[in-house]
Amino acid sequence: GESVGLHLPTLSVQEGDNSIINCAYSNSASDYFIWYKQESGKGPQFIIDIRSNMDKRQGQRVTVLLNKTVKHLSLQIAATQPGDSAVYFCAERRGFQKLVFGTGTRLLVSP
Amino acid sequence: NAGVTQTPKFQVLKTGQSMTLQCAQDMNHNSMYWYRQDPGMGLRLIYYSASEGTTDKGEVPNGYNVSRLNKREFSLRLESAAPSQTSVYFCASSEQGFTGELFFGEGSRLTVL
Repeated sequence: GESVGLHLPTLSVQEGDNSIINCAYSNSASDYFIWYKQESGKGPQFIIDIRSNMDKRQGQRVTVLLNKTVKHLSLQIAATQPGDSAVYFCAERRGFQKLVFGTGTRLLVSP
Repeated sequence: NAGVTQTPKFQVLKTGQSMTLQCAQDMNHNSMYWYRQDPGMGLRLIYYSASEGTTDKGEVPNGYNVSRLNKREFSLRLESAAPSQTSVYFCASSEQGFTGELFFGEGSRLTVL
């Protein structure tokens, strides 16, 4: 919903640029990470995931990079389109049962 | 294919009133979840059900109860609503546990006056 994004950091890019959204995670024991996209008024939608035994994973126009040394996760979106405008969340799994979500970053794509 | 369906989409309550949020999934998933989403807080887990017949508390269970009615349905009940429960509520499901993809519903916006 609209009120969810009031306090979010925002990344503004031009259509066609590459976007990089960053996420710091807190628990060195986390072994699984997911990126979600949430459009205004909708529920989060899965984009891509990565396990801790990998450094990089690619999907369609998206790449996730994992740096376990500094506990950092990034989502790269190639050739960003207006339809990519949304809030992006990372989530980490601690143990086998619980995902913990970050607060999100708003991506604004200008034509 | 509807995926995860939540009702109602919007609700306004007065403090002390009760209500139930309904959730149903048609993907034959074993696990279901209720999250709340507040500005600057990210998604926080209220309750989850790893499989039919089981429920467990998440991070913020106080003031809520859940029922896993059957494999398809997982409801969230507020017995005595408080203004602090004003939020957007999301139901989600997954094939099994938190590994892999969670499928989310469209959300239910609840305002408690």
